Amino acid sequence: RKEVEQDPGPFNVPEGATVAFNCTYSNSASQSFFWYRQDCRKEPKLLMSVYSSGNEDGRFTAQLNRASQYISLLIRDSKLSDSATYLCVVNESGGSYIPTFGRGTSLIVHP
Amino acid sequence: DVKVTQSSRYLVKRTGEKVFLECVQDMDHENMFWYRQDPGLGLRLIYFSYDVKMKEKGDIPEGYSVSREKKERFSLILESASTNQTSMYLCASSPPEGNHNEQFFGPGTRLTVL
Repeated sequence: RKEVEQDPGPFNVPEGATVAFNCTYSNSASQSFFWYRQDCRKEPKLLMSVYSSGNEDGRFTAQLNRASQYISLLIRDSKLSDSATYLCVVNESGGSYIPTFGRGTSLIVHP
Repeated sequence: DVKVTQSSRYLVKRTGEKVFLECVQDMDHENMFWYRQDPGLGLRLIYFSYDVKMKEKGDIPEGYSVSREKKERFSLILESASTNQTSMYLCASSPPEGNHNEQFFGPGTRLTVL
């Protein structure tokens, strides 16, 4: 099946830092894109969808580059509570609807 | 508040036992999914279902089967549990394609097969 690749990290950053994650996908027909957050020993939860024009939600900015087939997540002014694993998800559409998850990028924010 | 529930948080079974993992969602979602999550391997799709009595194989269906007799309930069955099926099992549901497509996950079942 089509692949979604992420750098597993961990990214170890101080509070207040800006950190960026990338995720590449192999299926050029992919239609929708998401970032999920998974805390230790918890289930994944949607952080934000990724739109073609890019979108921002507070300290979080997501961007999509269809030509290069990657999406990114930028976190500004990192907080201790941002420590988690961030999962990239890519959906194909038309016919079988199957989300493909990346393996996740671990973020550790330290004081 | 949307909710996906799973029958057990922790489960210990013996090799060869038949194991049932239950998942129930209260959002009237058409799509339901079963994943397993292992360190370093991420979430891998076992089976999914678009509708009642409908099922499709995911990436790793071997050793598993599923049942969807009612829209809100999607069961994962391990016909004869083996030690390599020790894992975290996550159920998810989502509205049909064309909507937002967010997946809502249950809290997970950590299964240990001895």
